[in-house]
Amino acid sequence: DTAVSQTPKYLVTQMGNDKSIKCEQNLGHDTMYWYKQDSKKFLKIMFSYNNKELIINETVPNRFSPKSPDKAHLNLHINSLELGDSAVYFCASSQGAGVPYGYTFGSGTRLTVV
Amino acid sequence: KNQVEQSPQSLIILEGKNCTLQCNYTVSPFSNLRWYKQDTGRGPVSLTIMTFSENTKSNGRYTATLDADTKQSSLHITASQLSDSASYICVVSQFSGGYNKLIFGAGTRLAVHP
Repeated sequence: DTAVSQTPKYLVTQMGNDKSIKCEQNLGHDTMYWYKQDSKKFLKIMFSYNNKELIINETVPNRFSPKSPDKAHLNLHINSLELGDSAVYFCASSQGAGVPYGYTFGSGTRLTVV
Repeated sequence: KNQVEQSPQSLIILEGKNCTLQCNYTVSPFSNLRWYKQDTGRGPVSLTIMTFSENTKSNGRYTATLDADTKQSSLHITASQLSDSASYICVVSQFSGGYNKLIFGAGTRLAVHP
């Protein structure tokens, strides 16, 4: 199936731990994104990569570090997890970054920090 | 401040009825406006994308309108079905630094009852 797939779907971990979320797209898109959906349901951009180059880096704690080994993958590593990091994280991709292309979203990773 | 506000917050309608969801935005510079459908536990799925010059766009039973002068948009759903139960999110794209950045509303949660 052509899609944006992210793993794991659920992640429960203790405060202070380090965890990673992986994302892969097989759509041939050039641009990938990480979004955070908080308890109020707003999705907010965290990072965007275009052809493995970081193009958007919002005000995100530096405990969050994205890595794009190739344009089909964008992983998110989080160090020293805090309670406030609990949210649903969505990966997305689009054909490009500069024109109104449609975005394809993954199904989300629900992160719970206890 | 760049914001997207949606109303109502939630809505219950009977199957077969029509409904209209509202979106007001203060995003600048404006690039395009999108409506997404998000089922519970899933990522958002694109319904429509409208640029500045478009004032209406349809996708099956979904029709979106855009008034760029008043910065308002609406999503009209015709002959609702049980499967329309979801959150509908208005998203405005801000063009900045050569890239599109999406700014999400909090969504309208629609429940269609038999």
